[in-house]
Amino acid sequence: EVQLVESGGGLIQPGGSLRLSCAASGFTVSNYYMSWVRQAPGKGLEWVSVIYSGGSTYYADSVKGRFTVSRDNSKNTVYLQMNSLRAEETAVYYCASCTVTTSYCFDYWGQGTLVTVSS
Amino acid sequence: QSVLTQPPSVSAAPGQKVTISCSGSSSNIGNNYVSWYQQLPGTAPKLLIYDNNKRPSGIPDRFSGSKSGTSATLGITGLQTGDEADYYCGTWDSSLSAAYVFGTGTKVTVL
Repeated sequence: EVQLVESGGGLIQPGGSLRLSCAASGFTVSNYYMSWVRQAPGKGLEWVSVIYSGGSTYYADSVKGRFTVSRDNSKNTVYLQMNSLRAEETAVYYCASCTVTTSYCFDYWGQGTLVTVSS
Repeated sequence: QSVLTQPPSVSAAPGQKVTISCSGSSSNIGNNYVSWYQQLPGTAPKLLIYDNNKRPSGIPDRFSGSKSGTSATLGITGLQTGDEADYYCGTWDSSLSAAYVFGTGTKVTVL
């Protein structure tokens, strides 16, 4: 059974840093592209970043230069390093993957981890 | 601000049909596959449709997807109370700021 489990969320002051983790089981993260998606309270979904199986990465304009996605194949885990956090980035952060097609989709999602940016 | 526009809400009685539109442009829907997601309150989104019109295993055929030009549509037939949720379309946007984009979201209410 495929499972994604995020961790690392919490309360952080504006300007601070946080690293989220997404531990996968039931499949190998290095074989698929892995994304981070966030959802602010009461708002819609917002894509944040992706890391491809080959290691290439892409980011939403809003986080470029501040967020970094990476992967540890030995731990079958994907990370999101978030620096210079802003209050408006308070959200539930999900990791998600697509295994059913080579085009973009998200068929597996974690339960999400809440990041609260506040002083 | 999302580049994919959906109606804020749609509603229908149980057993009826609803359709949800998703309007984009040539840089996103017009040249890429569309997916649809259902999000029940307090839960992670769930994939309903991928590659415009394909259903993952376990998704009933009451859910269907289509695409024409720069717009896509999700259809739900035989509406059930359990279908009351938020629905989002999504696709890759191949513009200069390459990114995955989600629609604005549609709340489905079962009357």
